[in-house]
Amino acid sequence: SQTIHQWPATLVQPVGSPLSLECTVEGTSNPNLYWYRQAAGRGLQLLFYSVGIGQISSEVPQNLSASRPQDRQFILSSKKLLLSDSGFYLCAWSVGDRVAYEQFFGPGTRLTVL
Amino acid sequence: GDSVTQMEGPVTLSEEAFLTINCTYTATGYPSLFWYVQYPGEGLQLLLKATKADDKGSNKGFEATYRKETTSFHLEKGSVQVSDSAVYFCALAYPGTASKLTFGTGTRLQVTL
Repeated sequence: SQTIHQWPATLVQPVGSPLSLECTVEGTSNPNLYWYRQAAGRGLQLLFYSVGIGQISSEVPQNLSASRPQDRQFILSSKKLLLSDSGFYLCAWSVGDRVAYEQFFGPGTRLTVL
Repeated sequence: GDSVTQMEGPVTLSEEAFLTINCTYTATGYPSLFWYVQYPGEGLQLLLKATKADDKGSNKGFEATYRKETTSFHLEKGSVQVSDSAVYFCALAYPGTASKLTFGTGTRLQVTL
């Protein structure tokens, strides 16, 4: 069966510090991968998605970046965090050829920028 | 562009009450529709889905019917339990390589004894 891992689970970082969040998927190959952010009391915002190694599409201009160095690894980064980067970050995967195209989500990383 | 609108929360119900969470969508094509649930402190889980008009998705006592004529996908449950307390998200996506989800803002459900 497929599983998705995210780490760390929680993170507290000062403004201006760098960020690296990691997501890995097991049990499937060539998944579509996604990063979402959920701000407090708000819905989900798609940040990045990837349909293959080295292929990254950005949905929202910001000081974040994403990379996919391996087929089942997706990394979210920032060189300098802002207060507005605080939130709950969710990684998800899907299989592109499934009719229903549902996405499967990881447990999330709660980031607090102080 | 495409969008999903959900009823504002929170929705507070007593256990065994009937639940309806409204969801309407605006779409240029014929998307698949989904309901996701998020329990406190966790990621999202797919609750149910429907891929074409008049399809009914169902799971764990929850149901939703894809209504093309009213562009709606309302979530219903006949008798809610305290364990159903969570945030519910309606979403749509199109078939395709990336299948990006467009989410509603979520509706918080609180069920009390």
